[in-house]
Amino acid sequence: GEDVEQSLFLSVREGDSSVINCTYTDSSSTYLYWYKQEPGAGLQLLTYIFSNMDMKQDQRLTVLLNKKDKHLSLRIADTQTGDSAIYFCAESSVSGGYNKLIFGAGTRLAVHP
Amino acid sequence: DSGVTQTPKHLITATGQRVTLRCSPRSGDLSVYWYQQSLDQGLQFLIQYYNGEERAKGNILERFSAQQFPDLHSELNLSSLELGDSALYFCASSVRLVGELFFGEGSRLTVL
Repeated sequence: GEDVEQSLFLSVREGDSSVINCTYTDSSSTYLYWYKQEPGAGLQLLTYIFSNMDMKQDQRLTVLLNKKDKHLSLRIADTQTGDSAIYFCAESSVSGGYNKLIFGAGTRLAVHP
Repeated sequence: DSGVTQTPKHLITATGQRVTLRCSPRSGDLSVYWYQQSLDQGLQFLIQYYNGEERAKGNILERFSAQQFPDLHSELNLSSLELGDSALYFCASSVRLVGELFFGEGSRLTVL
């Protein structure tokens, strides 16, 4: 079946690195995604990684993928108060030839001074 | 602004009632997805439409139904509402298959 799990809370100090972890179950997932939800807003794509990649870096964001363990992580360097939000991990699942995303419950990141 | 429009933004109604949530996808996007976000269940996939046809179904209750119209907008109908249906309902759209979903700002439903 399809299931995505992530820890619910993470608290970090401003300027430190944040690491948000996620595990997924669908080994056929082609893409894995990280979405960000700010208060009162919809989800916004932060970054994604193709399943044949181990790592992707985009400015302050680094995504690591361990396909063997079905583990995905998002590292945010130099975390700022503006990074406070809920971060969702998602795996793509193909059903009937069409793609749907299965989301984790979201990790609430709190950045404090 | 993602380009996905959802109405209404907020809705308060009573148990047993029926409501309709509306979604206009981004221009050119053929696929529409509905998700339910609640505190205890996280973000749950409900249903997906592609160019007017239902393509994938998730944890959608029988009391809920959806459709996508020829102009590609979509409606999610929730009937015989219960207190537990109170949640944020998101619509998302995408051009086609694998790729990025663009989310609307959600419709917050409160059932009293």
